[in-house]
This record gives sequence, structure tokens and C-alpha cells, in this order.
Amino acid sequence: AQSVAQPEDQVNVAEGNPLTVKCTYSVSGNPYLFWYVQYPNRGLQFLLKYITGDNLVKGSYGFEAEFNKSQTSFHLKKPSALVSDSALYFCAVRPWTSGTYKYIFGTGTRLKVLA
Amino acid sequence: DTAVSQTPKYLVTQMGNDKSIKCEQNLGHDTMYWYKQDSKKFLKIMFSYNNKELIINETVPNRFSPKSPDKAHLNLHINSLELGDSAVYFCASSQGTSLTYEQYFGPGTRLTVT
Repeated sequence: AQSVAQPEDQVNVAEGNPLTVKCTYSVSGNPYLFWYVQYPNRGLQFLLKYITGDNLVKGSYGFEAEFNKSQTSFHLKKPSALVSDSALYFCAVRPWTSGTYKYIFGTGTRLKVLA
Repeated sequence: DTAVSQTPKYLVTQMGNDKSIKCEQNLGHDTMYWYKQDSKKFLKIMFSYNNKELIINETVPNRFSPKSPDKAHLNLHINSLELGDSAVYFCASSQGTSLTYEQYFGPGTRLTVT
């Protein structure tokens, strides 16, 4: 079965420290990978995506993610966390399988950045 | 300008009632979606339309019926509301069905069934 896992329900990090939010996937074929962020009482906002090419993808608000095919991972990173980064983060995959239009979303990771 | 808008933002109603949620996007996108987010924040696709045609129809009770009058609008009608329908419903759109396109989400409609 095709799936996305976000192994941590919550990640706590001190402001100014680097942060990592983990995502692993299990799909057949090549995946297209996405990160979204959800602030309280808001809809999801697109952060970045990996389609092809360079394994390190840069996105909005200083976030980046590294695609690792051998480890089937797509971890979200930021060199220096801000309190305003506190939100719910979703990893999603769209398997490169014909006839599949939908995302497979992870269960979300709550990021808490402490001042 | 709001890219994807939904009305209403909050909806409180009693079991057995029928209600509708409206969604509009002004991005010129061809594809629109409805998602349900439960109390644990789990996000599940319900429906998707591309150019007014239904392309995704997940295992959702028949009480839920989407309608797309044109490419910019996708409404969700729910009959005979049940307690378990309480959730936040998100509308989203994307440029097309290509797997490389990101989605743009509306602010959500919090439905509470009492």
C-alpha cells in the first residue's frame, strides 16, 4: 500500500536552533513530494515540492527539504527556527502512477518553537 | 484578493438537517477538491473535479454530493447530517491534474452537528 509517515506527532525546538520535521514514504514508482504548513484556524499553505533534479529543494519562509531516494525520505529543514514557524506541518506524496490524481497526506507534525 | 474562498466559515446545525458549503477560486485553475479534516487533524480527500467533471470520488456516504456549476466553483451539499460529520471541510484548487501541481487551500468551514 502507498503511504506517507510522519513519525513524530510533535517537535519542540528552541528559537534560533535548526529544525527538522521528518517524512518517509512508501510508493511504487517515482514520487512527487510536497510539504504544506497549516497555521491555527487556517487552510494549508504550500511550502515546497520535489519533482525531479537537485535533491535539495528550497521553499517559502526559509524552509528546505532533502529528497533521499535510498532512504525514501523527504525531511523538512530550516537552519534557524522562529517562534512564528510554530504550526502543523504535512508531508504529502503523489505517486507517479497513471490514473492517480490524489495526494496521500501524512498525519501531520506539530512544530513548537520555544522563545 | 482571496484566492480560494469558502462560505460559511462556521456552520452549526442539528442532526438530520441539510446544509451546503460553497467554494470559489479566482486563480483560473481547472481542478478543485474537497477535503475533510477530523478532530485529530487527519486530512482525507473526498472529491475532485476537473473542468466540471468528477475525477475523484472517495468512499464517502451518499449523503455528500458535490456540484461544480463552473470551473471556478465547487459546492458541497450534505443531506441528513450526522454527529460524525462534524469536522473542518477544506476546499482546494490546482492548476490542473498534473501530479506536479501544488494545491491552494481555502480557509476551511468548521461544521458542528449537534
